[in-house]
Amino acid sequence: GQNIDQPTEMTATEGAIVQINCTYQTSGFNGLFWYQQHAGEAPTFLSYNVLDGLEEKGRFSSFLSRSKGYSYLLLKELQMKDSASYLCAVRDSGGYQKVTFGIGTKLQVIP
Amino acid sequence: DAMVIQNPRYQVTQFGKPVTLSCSQTLNHNVMYWYQQKSSQAPKLLFHYYDKDFNNEADTPDNFQSRRPNTSFCFLDIRSPGLGDAAMYLCATSSVGSATDTQYFGPGTRLTVL
Repeated sequence: GQNIDQPTEMTATEGAIVQINCTYQTSGFNGLFWYQQHAGEAPTFLSYNVLDGLEEKGRFSSFLSRSKGYSYLLLKELQMKDSASYLCAVRDSGGYQKVTFGIGTKLQVIP
Repeated sequence: DAMVIQNPRYQVTQFGKPVTLSCSQTLNHNVMYWYQQKSSQAPKLLFHYYDKDFNNEADTPDNFQSRRPNTSFCFLDIRSPGLGDAAMYLCATSSVGSATDTQYFGPGTRLTVL
């Protein structure tokens, strides 16, 4: 099974940079996802890491260290619309490759 | 645009009255999932279909059933909804064997049980 930990809440200022951390303990690993979820809406895909290192996509970057069971999502040039929950999700390596979601980090961007 | 569609977006039912939620997809993905998400909690996988093969999570109550009549459609049946079943129900699809196997979510159906 999977155990995923991430902070429940964070606050950051518009225009700033914020890093959201995720740690996981897993019996098998085949990739880590970050999703954004606005209140009352479905999660939307942000990024995917399966190898160690940094993946950059515009204002969003995601980092993975498999040996440490650690990932972070970096958001640059924060905008008010970035206020949302950010879900870390880990995929198993066995069978059909089940994805387990963390509880999410609720980010509030303030002026 | 290819997408995952859920109907209805909001569903109100009475305690014990059966309800069916529907999901359709135009992505031609081989896997379809149903998640339950309660407020401030992680999405919880109820079951999934890999093509026609049904896979139930061990802790999914018997009250929840699913049907997938074809590739495009999947249904979630709640036989006797209780107050604790009030939640957002998310349908997702993925293409196992693709590079990332990303799950794409529908907009969700918010279920209220009176």
